[in-house]
Amino acid sequence: NAGVTQTPKFRILKIGQSMTLQCTQDMNHNYMYWYRQDPGMGLKLIYYSVGAGITDKGEVPNGYNVSRSTTEDFPLRLELAAPSQTSVYFCASKTGEEKLFFGSGTQLSVL
Amino acid sequence: TQLLEQSPQFLSIQEGENLTVYCNSSSVFSSLQWYRQEPGEGPVLLVTVVTGGEVKKLKRLTFQFGDARKDSSLHITAAQPGDTGLYLCAGGRSGGSNYKLTFGKGTLLTVNP
Repeated sequence: NAGVTQTPKFRILKIGQSMTLQCTQDMNHNYMYWYRQDPGMGLKLIYYSVGAGITDKGEVPNGYNVSRSTTEDFPLRLELAAPSQTSVYFCASKTGEEKLFFGSGTQLSVL
Repeated sequence: TQLLEQSPQFLSIQEGENLTVYCNSSSVFSSLQWYRQEPGEGPVLLVTVVTGGEVKKLKRLTFQFGDARKDSSLHITAAQPGDTGLYLCAGGRSGGSNYKLTFGKGTLLTVNP
């Protein structure tokens, strides 16, 4: 059982470039989330989705976009990368219960 | 913004010692979760507490939810090197379809052999 899978594991971007962080889950979870984790700052919610076709902003959505065309996939898009977006990004999913299942993260550096 | 304050931020101890880490807030949460995160991996849920005053045990780990549901503690007995990691608490406000967690900044625990 793969759980939550994130790709890529590592990425270096130049300022102004764009990229998509991929997230897929095989547990048929309705709820999916994107967090960023900065050193000493815990996890901040970027965007979340309660089901296919439904997304909403979290605490720090500026500079990011998401889509949820299927239950399995929840990609995160960075359109114009900035140094402030250097972080580790985690995707997570859950059922109606409160347990979150996290992916192993994408470490992104914007130089 | 609901804040969860975790203390201490860093903790380095010797194998066999006991320790307690804390998670405090001025807000009431419907549930509180503790996660452990190892380097290069995502957080993994250890426990969820939902009732004020609730105590849960997971082998050498004891979790307590405050009576007012604003704070929680994690006590580890006879710590082992395998307990090393970042411990995160997260408060939940359920109700409706937009369930979200608020995470603390974490306690980085190092257990030395």
